Amino acid sequence: EAQVTQNPRYLITVTGKKLTVTCSQNMNHEYMSWYRQDPGLGLRQIYYSMNVEVTDKGDVPEGYKVSRKEKRNFPLILESPSPNQTSLYFCASSLTPNQPQHFGDGTRLSIL
Amino acid sequence: EDKVVQSPLSLVVHEGDTVTLNCSYEVTNFRSLLWYKQEKKAPTFLFMLTSSGIEKKSGRLSSILDKKELFSILNITATQTGDSAVYLCAGGTSYGKLTFGQGTILTVHP
Repeated sequence: EAQVTQNPRYLITVTGKKLTVTCSQNMNHEYMSWYRQDPGLGLRQIYYSMNVEVTDKGDVPEGYKVSRKEKRNFPLILESPSPNQTSLYFCASSLTPNQPQHFGDGTRLSIL
Repeated sequence: EDKVVQSPLSLVVHEGDTVTLNCSYEVTNFRSLLWYKQEKKAPTFLFMLTSSGIEKKSGRLSSILDKKELFSILNITATQTGDSAVYLCAGGTSYGKLTFGQGTILTVHP
């Protein structure tokens, strides 16, 4: 089944403790992206990647890192999480940058 | 800074009503306008529009883009309770950056 898989689905952690949210797609998509969704602000793009080893900042990249060492994986890294990064995070992918994106089921992060 | 604004922010209707959701955008290097439906979890794709004036239809849903006025609408006819969701509009650039609007919360009562 074609899908975008995020892990974990839920995480409660504390300020400053490094964490990684994994994202994997099995559709051989070139393009992958991370978003955060907050009430009243909609979905905001954090980082995106056009292909392996190519990443770019979205609208809200501060406090996040990404890497794209393989086509299928695009992990989101929070080196020193803070409470303002508490949010619902979505990973998405598409065959090319100009195709509609398929979204994962989301990861709800709470940082205390 | 790219910007997408949706209206109304929320809408309550009864089954059978027709609704129109609005989306205006200001996106540098604009290439496409996308509509998504979000229920409990992941947004699901509805339409992608790249050309002005060409209506896209899927069942009771349809959408059109006006690139001169920087505007798109999503129409839903004969609404059903299953149409209750958040409808998201996004402006896409030629290099894949997507800017989303705040979403319209649609509630359809039986």
